[in-house]
Amino acid sequence: DAGITQSPRYKITETGRQVTLMCHQTWSHSYMFWYRQDLGHGLRLIYYSAAADITDKGEVPDGYVVSRSKTENFPLTLESATRSQTSVYFCATTPGLAGNEQFFGPGTRLTVL
Amino acid sequence: SQQGEEDPQALSIQEGENATMNCSYKTSINNLQWYRQNSGRGLVHLILIRSNEREKHSGRLRVTLDTSKKSSSLLITASRAADTASYFCAPSSGNTPLVFGKGTRLSVIA
Repeated sequence: DAGITQSPRYKITETGRQVTLMCHQTWSHSYMFWYRQDLGHGLRLIYYSAAADITDKGEVPDGYVVSRSKTENFPLTLESATRSQTSVYFCATTPGLAGNEQFFGPGTRLTVL
Repeated sequence: SQQGEEDPQALSIQEGENATMNCSYKTSINNLQWYRQNSGRGLVHLILIRSNEREKHSGRLRVTLDTSKKSSSLLITASRAADTASYFCAPSSGNTPLVFGKGTRLSVIA
């Protein structure tokens, strides 16, 4: 199916564990983004990527690692999860930054105990 | 990147009424986008208005842009219960990622 998907949709993990959230898009869009959404903060940009092998930090990158070896995939890794990383994570994609809409995935709800 | 600030934070209206929400931003833009987020879901793009446009319509949505005041408004006419959602604006200069604020939570009561 065409579109943008995220997996898993729900994840519970423990403090200190590594967890990877997956994002996959079928449009071959250049740009991909990771946001987190918390009550009282709206959506905050974690990392983004303009193309394969090109990534940049957003507003809140600390504690997260990204990679983009293929255009269609943009995994987000929490190397040592903390309770403050409990959040809903959204992946998004767009063909370009200038005047293009962003397409969002369904989100991953992550709980760190 | 610059963030838009939506106002009000929350809005509750009766079905059939119009809903107006506002967005302010700080520096010049190329365009401004509005998105909707239903509870627990990803954002969905509603409409984009370019800096040289003053008003744009899409179905029951009307967006205005006043670049002199650095503000935009989103009007939803004849609201329905299904319009209950959070609404976000995203001002853009065109070369940086979109940044989203806290949004306006709209509740449409049947």
